[in-house]
Amino acid sequence: AQTVTQSQPEMSVQEAETVTLSCTYDTSESNYYLFWYKQPPSRQMILVIRQEAYKQQNATENRFSVNFQKAAKSFSLKISDSQLGDTAMYFCAFNAGGTSYGKLTFGQGTILTVHP
Amino acid sequence: DGGITQSPKYLFRKEGQNVTLSCEQNLNHDAMYWYRQDPGQGLRLIYYSQIVNDFQKGDIAEGYSVSREKKESFPLTVTSAQKNPTAFYLCASRSDPGRGLGQPQHFGDGTRLSIL
Repeated sequence: AQTVTQSQPEMSVQEAETVTLSCTYDTSESNYYLFWYKQPPSRQMILVIRQEAYKQQNATENRFSVNFQKAAKSFSLKISDSQLGDTAMYFCAFNAGGTSYGKLTFGQGTILTVHP
Repeated sequence: DGGITQSPKYLFRKEGQNVTLSCEQNLNHDAMYWYRQDPGQGLRLIYYSQIVNDFQKGDIAEGYSVSREKKESFPLTVTSAQKNPTAFYLCASRSDPGRGLGQPQHFGDGTRLSIL
């Protein structure tokens, strides 16, 4: 079975500072993708960033970057220069081949609060 | 603009009643998904469909039913057999899964279902 674990239920950060959200996963698949989704108070799910398992280079999208450690099965999200609009619940998700093809497995989420 | 429309935004169910949540997409996506989100928790997969007239059970399908008669539409029925239906329901879609694991899922704005 594939599992995704986010061990930080809640985190907070001051505006303009940097914060890192943790995610670990477990799978026997060799080819897969990892995603971070953001769910602000409006409840809409928004894709933040994605990483292919075969790529060693960490993905970056503006202020968002990941630290992908394949051997450790770790996929953390770093948010630089935090903004008030980053306040949201963040979900790590996993998509693998095999029988799970096309299905996402989500972690429990981390509530991030950015303080002014 | 292309997107996913879920309706209604809020829905109330009486004891013993079946209710249907609507999900329509104009993204020309092949795959569609239904998730349930309980307070402070991650998303759990109810049902998914890769093509028209075909759908598969997810992790928590009991008490739910779906149909996929048109590519654009994937309604979810919460039956009276679902004893604890109060939750936030999210519909998602994804382009042809054959195009690879990296295709992200796109989400609607959700429906909040409550028991009267």
